[in-house]
Amino acid sequence: SQTIHQWPATLVQPVGSPLSLECTVEGTSNPNLYWYRQAAGRGLQLLFYSVGIGQISSEVPQNLSASRPQDRQFILSSKKLLLSDSGFYLCAWSDGTAYEKLFFGSGTQLSVL
Amino acid sequence: SQQGEEDPQALSIQEGENATMNCSYKTSINNLQWYRQNSGRGLVHLILIRSNEREKHSGRLRVTLDTSKKSSSLLITASRAADTASYFCALNNAGNMLTFGGGTRLMVKP
Repeated sequence: SQTIHQWPATLVQPVGSPLSLECTVEGTSNPNLYWYRQAAGRGLQLLFYSVGIGQISSEVPQNLSASRPQDRQFILSSKKLLLSDSGFYLCAWSDGTAYEKLFFGSGTQLSVL
Repeated sequence: SQQGEEDPQALSIQEGENATMNCSYKTSINNLQWYRQNSGRGLVHLILIRSNEREKHSGRLRVTLDTSKKSSSLLITASRAADTASYFCALNNAGNMLTFGGGTRLMVKP
């Protein structure tokens, strides 16, 4: 069966520090991978998605970047965090053959102070 | 890409009652999905309804889709305290992406 791992669960970082959030998927190959951000009590904003190794599409201009160095690994990064980067970050995957349901990781609560 | 808009934003009911949440959208879709999120956790897929379907059931969940009105509803029957969560509709209308609405926060009181 497929599983998705996302870590860390919580992170407190000072303004201006770097960021690296990692997400890995097991039990499937060539998944579509996604990073979403959720503000407190709000909906999800799509940040990045990837349909293959090295292929990254960005949905919104921001202080963040994403990379996919391996088929089932998706990384969210920042060189210098801003206060506005605080939020709940969710990684997700879907079957690359159809526009079907997403499977989400457990999320990372990022607080930038 | 469009977002769905859920209504109401918050809903409080007693255990055993039915809960109905609505989602409206503006342009055509391939499918519409409903997800559940417990506080501080990831989202869990509940049900998917395609644009050529009008109603689907899964356990105590019933989803309807009215493409002429561009709206969907999620009905949870005989609610339980464990149903307390946020519920999101997600639209698939192009490409590989889903766009999510702001969600309905459901509280079921025991």
